Amino acid sequence: EAGVAQSPRYKIIEKRQSVAFWCNPISGHATLYWYQQILGQGPKLLIQFQNNGVVDDSQLPKDRFSAERLKGVDSTLKIQPAKLEDSAVYLCASSWGDRGFEQYFGPGTRLTVT
Amino acid sequence: GESVGLHLPTLSVQEGDNSIINCAYSNSASDYFIWYKQESGKGPQFIIDIRSNMDKRQGQRVTVLLNKTVKHLSLQIAATQPGDSAVYFCADPFYNQGGKLIFGQGTELSVKP
Repeated sequence: EAGVAQSPRYKIIEKRQSVAFWCNPISGHATLYWYQQILGQGPKLLIQFQNNGVVDDSQLPKDRFSAERLKGVDSTLKIQPAKLEDSAVYLCASSWGDRGFEQYFGPGTRLTVT
Repeated sequence: GESVGLHLPTLSVQEGDNSIINCAYSNSASDYFIWYKQESGKGPQFIIDIRSNMDKRQGQRVTVLLNKTVKHLSLQIAATQPGDSAVYFCADPFYNQGGKLIFGQGTELSVKP
């Protein structure tokens, strides 16, 4: 079974620029998550999708971050404009259901904002 | 807000020794916990879970202990190997409160040959 795919793996941008990350979940997984992991900390949930609907985006800085999951499969996370404090690893995870189901994580995208 | 946290940010052990990684949580209503392993450059990987109706659960070379009285759980790794070097997180899925997965800060385990 193929795992969660993410691209790019690394991205370096200057502050105030925009950036987009892509995630392809495991086939058949209805739930998709985006996490932000700052160096030395555990992952923090940014947004959760159930199929193509948003379940939880309470921790998403909506003034600069946006995410979509078209057709309930792939997802993109965008930051515009980026700030220095956005430097982190952005992890995508997917699960078959929303509760009680194991989340499978992708390798992440390491973003550096200079 | 509710939190889960680990006691030590780093732990260094000799190859072949047993490792114990601790985690405290604050939500007395939490009834399910998951331990994740995150190797460098990779996403977290599920290791083992435990429900609140259990005090102990064993997997392959790993054991998780849960003490609900003091809101503490631990991950024990037997005969630690170099491949066990990683950051370990305990996480609370908060399944009875919306289902948001909350991670602790993590303990980085280093295994000395």
